[in-house]
Amino acid sequence: NAGVTQTPKFQVLKTGQSMTLQCAQDMNHEYMSWYRQDPGMGLRLIHYSVGAGITDQGEVPNGYNVSRSTTEDFPLRLLSAAPSQTSVYFCASSYRSGGGQETQYFGPGTRLLVL
Amino acid sequence: SQQGEEDPQALSIQEGENATMNCSYKTSINNLQWYRQNSGRGLVHLILIRSNEREKHSGRLRVTLDTSKKSSSLLITASRAADTASYFCAHSGGSNYKLTFGKGTLLTVNP
Repeated sequence: NAGVTQTPKFQVLKTGQSMTLQCAQDMNHEYMSWYRQDPGMGLRLIHYSVGAGITDQGEVPNGYNVSRSTTEDFPLRLLSAAPSQTSVYFCASSYRSGGGQETQYFGPGTRLLVL
Repeated sequence: SQQGEEDPQALSIQEGENATMNCSYKTSINNLQWYRQNSGRGLVHLILIRSNEREKHSGRLRVTLDTSKKSSSLLITASRAADTASYFCAHSGGSNYKLTFGKGTLLTVNP
């Protein structure tokens, strides 16, 4: 199994440009999520999905869109990039259970620089 | 913010010593998890402890949970240089399946 994969690994954008960060998992996990990691801030949840066709907002959703058309894929779209979106982005997936969030498996991350 | 907090923010020890990191949170939880992140890498799950558990072991790791104090600790025994990393706690509560991370503890183990 490849686990959770993310592309690209690194991207430079100009302010106002749009792009899609790709995330895929091959573990048949229902739950997928996107985090951003900034120095001194830990990981903050952007959007998450509990299954195909179901998405919801996390702590910092503004400026980002998501969709979940398949179990495997959960792309994150930046509609109009801003310098404040310079960050490292992590995708994660896990099983669902009745006991809360289970172990999350993380991708390697995408480093985004917005000029 | 419901974000948890790790303490200390940074810890530097010698190889062979034990390292203890603490985590506090604000809400009721279903479970609490600890993750490790090596520099420039993604997070790797270390251990999960459920709200009805008080202590859990995995190899050189020992995690405790005190739900009355809303706190947890991670003990790494006989540390190695390879344990140098950032360590994050994350808690999950309710049925919203969100996992809330703390800001992390940077552990440096000197050879």
